Amino acid sequence: NAGVTQTPKFQVLKTGQSMTLQCAQDMNHNSMYWYRQDPGMGLRLIYYSASEGTTDKGEVPNGYNVSRLNKREFSLRLESAAPSQTSVYFCASSEGDRIEAFFGQGTRLTVV
Amino acid sequence: GNSVTQMEGPVTLSEEAFLTINCTYTATGYPSLFWYVQYPGEGLQLLLKATKADDKGSNKGFEATYRKETTSFHLEKGSVQVSDSAVYFCALKDVQGGSEKLVFGKGTKLTVNP
Repeated sequence: NAGVTQTPKFQVLKTGQSMTLQCAQDMNHNSMYWYRQDPGMGLRLIYYSASEGTTDKGEVPNGYNVSRLNKREFSLRLESAAPSQTSVYFCASSEGDRIEAFFGQGTRLTVV
Repeated sequence: GNSVTQMEGPVTLSEEAFLTINCTYTATGYPSLFWYVQYPGEGLQLLLKATKADDKGSNKGFEATYRKETTSFHLEKGSVQVSDSAVYFCALKDVQGGSEKLVFGKGTKLTVNP
């Protein structure tokens, strides 16, 4: 009963490096989300995917790209990391307007 | 657009004190409302939810009532414990144009002292 699995849990990047955060869910949910969490800012939506093959920008999409590879997987890519992208990143999935979203354990990313 | 406004923290209480964390929302439709809790170093987990007006969600001694007339979903607990120390997020979920939108408040950090 894994739920939402994110990898890696921790990552340190140098400015300008690229990386992909992976997310997979085993609940057959259509909707998936990527959020970033910063002190005093709460959770801010980066991108979301309402279904396989569709993605839409959220509140803070600049500097990120996403891929909804299939129904299970939704990856977040940083093409050229910047210190401003130092944050904790959460992936979530949900299904239906009355059902709660389920979250992964987060990826703590530091860009130096 | 949809938005959630919740009480700014941090909130510090003594054990067995009464807790209220205010949450109000703006939505174009009829959203479902949620409270999530985040313990240190962990992801978010659902605390309680309400899916229509006048519903009361409850879990672990926490309660919140969906008030459509005041667009509010305030979180309450009669007697907090040290183990309740965490960050609490109010959230709403609405369906717009066939896709679900999940919007969070900024979070309220609660510290309960023995």
